[in-house]
Amino acid sequence: AQKVTQAQTEISVVEKEDVTLDCVYETRDTTYYLFWYKQPPSGELVFLIRRNSFDEQNEISGRYSWNFQKSTSSFNFTITASQVVDSAVYFCALSEIQGAQKLVFGQGTRLTINP
Amino acid sequence: DAGVTQSPTHLIKTRGQQVTLRCSPKSGHDTVSWYQQALGQGPQFIFQYYEEEERQRGNFPDRFSGHQFPNYSSELNVNALLLGDSALYLCASSYYSGTGNQPQHFGDGTRLSIL
Repeated sequence: AQKVTQAQTEISVVEKEDVTLDCVYETRDTTYYLFWYKQPPSGELVFLIRRNSFDEQNEISGRYSWNFQKSTSSFNFTITASQVVDSAVYFCALSEIQGAQKLVFGQGTRLTINP
Repeated sequence: DAGVTQSPTHLIKTRGQQVTLRCSPKSGHDTVSWYQQALGQGPQFIFQYYEEEERQRGNFPDRFSGHQFPNYSSELNVNALLLGDSALYLCASSYYSGTGNQPQHFGDGTRLSIL
């Protein structure tokens, strides 16, 4: 069975600090997708990134970066120079590559950026 | 370009009643998935519809049923409502590109409260 664990329930930092959100996953599949979604108070889940399991290159998009390490089954997300607008609940998720590709989510990490 | 739209935004029902939630996918998307998100939890996959058929189902009882229409919109029906059905119900859409489904995009959700 697939499982995603986000051990950090809540994180609070001061604006401009860097913050890393941890994600550890379990799957028996040899190929799979990993995702990060952001959920602001409005409730909508905003897609941030999808990573294929056979592409272990780290990715950077503006202030966001992702570190995928297959050896430790981790897919961590770092926000550099955080801003108040980054405050939200962040979810890591896993899916199969074939078929319905249902998303299996972690419990989420509530990130609060204080001015 | 309209994103995923869900209606209604909020709904209050009593135990034993039945409810229908609606979802219009993002333009160009042909696949609709439904998720249930209890307070403080990550979303849980209910089922996915593609080509007007249920493609995969999560671990939810038969009280949860759905439908997809020829225009790709979808409904989620829940019968004999229980207090535990109180949650945010999220609809996600994607499209099948031939090499697999593209990332799912979510709507704002319907918040269902059972009294």
